[in-house]
Amino acid sequence: RKEVEQDPGPFNVPEGATVAFNCTYSNSASQSFFWYRQDCRKEPKLLMSVYSSGNEDGRFTAQLNRASQYISLLIRDSKLSDSATYLCVVNRRTGNQFYFGTGTSLTVIP
Amino acid sequence: NAGVTQTPKFQVLKTGQSMTLQCAQDMNHEYMSWYRQDPGMGLRLIHYSVGAGITDQGEVPNGYNVSRSTTEDFPLRLLSAAPSQTSVYFCASSTSGTGYNEQFFGPGTRLTVL
Repeated sequence: RKEVEQDPGPFNVPEGATVAFNCTYSNSASQSFFWYRQDCRKEPKLLMSVYSSGNEDGRFTAQLNRASQYISLLIRDSKLSDSATYLCVVNRRTGNQFYFGTGTSLTVIP
Repeated sequence: NAGVTQTPKFQVLKTGQSMTLQCAQDMNHEYMSWYRQDPGMGLRLIHYSVGAGITDQGEVPNGYNVSRSTTEDFPLRLLSAAPSQTSVYFCASSTSGTGYNEQFFGPGTRLTVL
């Protein structure tokens, strides 16, 4: 079983829409959780960390459910500039390795 | 502050050739890593290092060697290139390999093996 699984999409949504992505992780020893954004043919960049209490950054809200081992990302009022691939990333308490999902592709349509 | 730099940006090799992908960071990060990204596979860890002189294998280490003689540099060597190594390679650095530490990525090297 993969360490991190994501629905690859693609998600095609109109401007202004709300879209949600989910990600599941298999190892209960996972400690730290992130969403990264990757634009076409570019390097991944940190979008936000995901904390147990949930956290929000402007139009973006991230939630963590440790009992069910899933992470979510909600994007409200989608902008054309949100079009990208969103990568779910998990890190264990030990082992010094970050595990990446395959990414979810989002296209925001005018 | 250049962040993480990688060279070259593009490379074409013939099967059996060897080469070194360069990676350097100027953030004094202890943790550095190499990933390959293939369509539908996501980023997969090749090798990582938690400090100068310390390296370890990731998920897909076969066919690759690394060394870490300084904090700043973490080169990746392809010993005998194979078409299966055609991929985009990203180097990343972070304060630590555990916890809530942001990974900073280089711009990538696009490698084609013929």
